[in-house]
Amino acid sequence: GAGVSQSPSNKVTEKGKDVELRCDPISGHTALYWYRQSLGQGLEFLIYFQGNSAPDKSGLPSDRFSAERTGGSVSTLTIQRTQQEDSAVYLCASSLSTVNQPQHFGDGTRLSIL
Amino acid sequence: AQSVAQPEDQVNVAEGNPLTVKCTYSVSGNPYLFWYVQYPNRGLQFLLKYITGDNLVKGSYGFEAEFNKSQTSFHLKKPSALVSDSALYFCAVRDMYDGNQFYFGTGTSLTVIP
Repeated sequence: GAGVSQSPSNKVTEKGKDVELRCDPISGHTALYWYRQSLGQGLEFLIYFQGNSAPDKSGLPSDRFSAERTGGSVSTLTIQRTQQEDSAVYLCASSLSTVNQPQHFGDGTRLSIL
Repeated sequence: AQSVAQPEDQVNVAEGNPLTVKCTYSVSGNPYLFWYVQYPNRGLQFLLKYITGDNLVKGSYGFEAEFNKSQTSFHLKKPSALVSDSALYFCAVRDMYDGNQFYFGTGTSLTVIP
C-alpha cells in the first residue's frame, strides 16, 4: 500500500523566495505532523493536525511558517521570505488517532536556501 | 513534562556482537514507547513499540527492546549486529494523557564495524 508521500524531494531556492512543501498522508490517517531535521540531527516539531480540530502550531519557529490541511488529507507547509537558516529536511508523518499507533514518515523534502 | 533522553550520540559495535541503544523517558501517565530507524536520505521507519504486557518487545529486523518501569528505560537491543544496521535510531514516547504528541529523543548514530 502507499505510504506517506512528500513533494518535492529536493528544493533549491533563493533567499527571500516563498516555498510550498506538500505532504500526502496514508489514507485514513487522521493525524498529520510536520517536523524539521537539520543534517544528521534530531527532529524539531513544527505543527500537528488532528481531524477537524484546530492544529497545534506551537512548534512553528516564526510567522513566516504556516501550514494547511485541506479536506483532512493533503497538507501544505509554506515558508515565506525564506532565510538560509531554513535550510533543512522537512519531514511529514501521519498516524491513526489512537495513542498506541506509531507514526509513518515520508522521505522528506530537502530544502536548500542559497 | 514529557521527555525522552538518548544519552549516547554515537554507538560503535563490531559486526556479530550484541548491540544496545539506550533510551530513558519521563511521562506523567503510562507511556507508549516507540523505536524508529532512519537510513541516509530517508524518513524514519517504525521498528517496534511497547504498549502494555510483556516487557520484552520484538520488532523488525531482529531488533527487540526491554521496557523497565522502575528505571523508566526502553533500551533497544539486537543479539548480533549487522553492518546494514548502521543508521540513526530514535526513541519516542506518547503519553496516554497527552495522546496527540510524540516526544522524540535526539537520536543515536549506530555504526557497525565489519
